[in-house]
Amino acid sequence: GENVEQHPSTLSVQEGDSAVIKCTYSDSASNYFPWYKQELGKGPQLIIDIRSNVGEKKDQRIAVTLNKTAKHFSLHITETQPEDSAVYFCAAFNDYKLSFGAGTTVTVRA
Amino acid sequence: GAVVSQHPSRVICKSGTSVKIECRSLDFQATTMFWYRQFPKQSLMLMATSNEGSKATYEQGVEKDKFLINHASLTLSTLTVTSAHPEDSSFYICSVLFGGGGDTQYFGPGTRLTVL
Repeated sequence: GENVEQHPSTLSVQEGDSAVIKCTYSDSASNYFPWYKQELGKGPQLIIDIRSNVGEKKDQRIAVTLNKTAKHFSLHITETQPEDSAVYFCAAFNDYKLSFGAGTTVTVRA
Repeated sequence: GAVVSQHPSRVICKSGTSVKIECRSLDFQATTMFWYRQFPKQSLMLMATSNEGSKATYEQGVEKDKFLINHASLTLSTLTVTSAHPEDSSFYICSVLFGGGGDTQYFGPGTRLTVL
């Protein structure tokens, strides 16, 4: 099955700085890559996604890049704010289901 | 996106009892729903795929007789944890498969189960 690795496991940034989270996947058949934000005690919230026919996608302060050849994708958050503090999960869609990375705990210091 | 609710949000039960968790798609008819389990500080683990009107497909290692899933309508799927034990204590989250692409999932708020 699909194996998704996510780094780093924790990330602390100063408010206003950028945060980058990287993921790799193992199965070249995976074709859809969503990112979820999960706040404590809540369900994951879809924040951005990218499909395998696209290399980059941006939505305001959030962007995602995909390198199919290298089988890795990244989440970029610019101008971080305290409300960006949460756990972020990457995922890869294959065989009709999502495989998740282990998660990155992002802390934005005021 | 799709709006998903779960009920209850928290439940505490005694060991040996059964607990039912409801997952509702509020604004979208969901042919396919998923059930996940998440232990503290860990990632989401898929338990089963629930298709309306048919039997659920369970992931390897998930006991289908212990975690009963019913998807009787396009807006409701239920997960029943039978004869719950303390090791079943976890955060249970459902999601709905949304859209023509057949790959986007929107998640519910989760249900915290504590078995004493």
